[in-house]
Amino acid sequence: EPEVTQTPSHQVTQMGQEVILRCVPISNHLYFYWYRQILGQKVEFLVSFYNNEISEKSEIFDDQFSVERPDGSNFTLKIRSTKLEDSAMYFCASRPGGGYGYTFGSGTRLTVV
Amino acid sequence: AQTVTQSQPEMSVQEAETVTLSCTYDTSESNYYLFWYKQPPSRQMILVIRQEAYKQQNATENRFSVNFQKAAKSFSLKISDSQLGDTAMYFCAFMKHGGEASGSRLTFGEGTQLTVNP
Repeated sequence: EPEVTQTPSHQVTQMGQEVILRCVPISNHLYFYWYRQILGQKVEFLVSFYNNEISEKSEIFDDQFSVERPDGSNFTLKIRSTKLEDSAMYFCASRPGGGYGYTFGSGTRLTVV
Repeated sequence: AQTVTQSQPEMSVQEAETVTLSCTYDTSESNYYLFWYKQPPSRQMILVIRQEAYKQQNATENRFSVNFQKAAKSFSLKISDSQLGDTAMYFCAFMKHGGEASGSRLTFGEGTQLTVNP
């Protein structure tokens, strides 16, 4: 069964550093998403991406965040200057055109120290 | 904006018994989808079951079934013949049936930690 692949599975970074979280969505999917889950809390929407542009973003997704689909395969989330409160599990997901079924990746656990 | 509420932070059940997890939501939309996701200790998000709001028939997937009450905005999950592997956090989620490029975000509830005891 096709999978959404996220790398790395765990990343530790110093506060103020830039991080890039990587995702490879399912190849024939058209809609891509990032969600985050702070430990012990619910899953929160960050951003959706369609047709090479952001289609929707939440209030969490401020200027520190950006997304890119650089090569038609990878889908990345960049955090420019990490803060302690960015420590969370970050999930990538994709969805086919005309369908509503999400497929989530296994997540990247980001720890900011 | 949509909200999803799960009022049971924790529940437990004996192996082989049946348990029901509650979820209510608030929306002004008439066409939408509802989901239950399971998150085991590995923290992967696994789809358990989904329901289209326009369908009156409750969805069923093997031991998992839902009780969808559209007028009451209620969407509970019933797990029959509970197994140890069902131990996980369960999230209820809402997605409105929007246009192709928007409105497809999932809104999650706070989650219910289910423990199945041997």
